[in-house]
Amino acid sequence: KQEVTQIPAALSVPEGENLVLNCSFTDSAIYNLQWFRQDPGKGLTSLLLIQSSQREQTSGRLNASLDKSSGRSTLYIAASQPGDSATYLCAVRPTSGTYKYIFGTGTRLKVLA
Amino acid sequence: EAQVTQNPRYLITVTGKKLTVTCSQNMNHEYMSWYRQDPGLGLRQIYYSMNVEVTDKGDVPEGYKVSRKEKRNFPLILESPSPNQTSLYFCASSIRTGLQPQHFGDGTRLSIL
Repeated sequence: KQEVTQIPAALSVPEGENLVLNCSFTDSAIYNLQWFRQDPGKGLTSLLLIQSSQREQTSGRLNASLDKSSGRSTLYIAASQPGDSATYLCAVRPTSGTYKYIFGTGTRLKVLA
Repeated sequence: EAQVTQNPRYLITVTGKKLTVTCSQNMNHEYMSWYRQDPGLGLRQIYYSMNVEVTDKGDVPEGYKVSRKEKRNFPLILESPSPNQTSLYFCASSIRTGLQPQHFGDGTRLSIL
């Protein structure tokens, strides 16, 4: 059964620091992996979607990488800002013939001014 | 504006009283899904729908029903709510599963007393 893990559960960094968030999954048979941001009291906002054939995706200060064989993805945030403070979640869609998504429990990021 | 709209945003009710949470999207998306989010457990998929009249169970479907009579609407029905269904619920939609990111509603916080 596919499991998705995000460590650490919480992270505090000073403003301006470059940081990496980690996402691990147990089964490499995935269709894609998606990173989301969740602000308190709000829904999830999609940040980056990486198809299984891709190695990375970039959007502004964000870069997500995917290594299927090792079951890992990272979200790199450059020059962090207080506005980046949120919970970041990753989700995988397995290729098991269903159309489910499996989410990690998230990393709560706080960027200190 | 492209959006996924859930109603109500907050609801406190009692055990056994049937309730429906509505979800509507204005993006002509084929794929729609319901999730619940609980502390320490992350988001778990309840039901999803690939298109009108096509629905399937996610990982935690017990105690829930859904219907997809129209493309834009995907209501979540709790026939006999119980306290263990107290949670934060999210509806999501996408153009085609796996090829496009999911768009999420702002969530519905349900408390079952």
